[in-house]
Amino acid sequence: EVQLLESGGGLVQPGRSLRLSCAASGFTFANYAMSWVRQAPGKGLEWVSTISGSGGSTYYADSVKGRFTISRDNSWNTLYVQMNSLRAEDTAVYYCVKVTGRQGWEVDYWGQGTLVTVSS
Amino acid sequence: EIVMTQTPLSSPVTLGQPASISCRSSQSLVHSDGNTYLSWLQQRPGQPPRLLIYKISNRFSGVPDRFSGSGAGTDFTLTISRVEAEDVGVYYCMQATQFPPYTFGQGTKLEIK
Repeated sequence: EVQLLESGGGLVQPGRSLRLSCAASGFTFANYAMSWVRQAPGKGLEWVSTISGSGGSTYYADSVKGRFTISRDNSWNTLYVQMNSLRAEDTAVYYCVKVTGRQGWEVDYWGQGTLVTVSS
Repeated sequence: EIVMTQTPLSSPVTLGQPASISCRSSQSLVHSDGNTYLSWLQQRPGQPPRLLIYKISNRFSGVPDRFSGSGAGTDFTLTISRVEAEDVGVYYCMQATQFPPYTFGQGTKLEIK
């Protein structure tokens, strides 16, 4: 059974940093690209970032480019996102999402999410 | 960036009756590999999103057969043949054809009359 468990969320002041983690199990982690998708309170879904299975390719939304860094540790089956220079508009639930591994970049499994609140 | 537009944004339905949600993309979602990477997600209250349908019409593992997807090019539809109480929530269409980025529809809230 595929499981994705996010952690690291919390309350942080504007301008500060936070690192989220996602522990994956139930599949061969290194074989799959992974993504972060966020959802501001009461709002829709917004893609944040994606990393290839090897970690060699990364992609970012314009809204986080230069501030967020996605990474992975395939030895520990863990996905990360380092979030720097946080802003109030980064307040959201952050979901860890698995890419299907079939053709293309479709996603299949979603974690439960971790809430990040940026406020003074 | 492809813009995804869903209608309606809210859909009150009667238990046991059908419901349908439309999703239109600003550009064709046919990929150069011939596939159309249009998915439907369900988000029940207080829960994370869950994949229902991928590549227009393929039901994901464990998804009841009352859910079906159809469409082509830029116009797509999610249909629930007989709505059950557990179907209440928000439904999103999502495209992965022109990645990056992934883009999502605004969401359609399904509620029981």
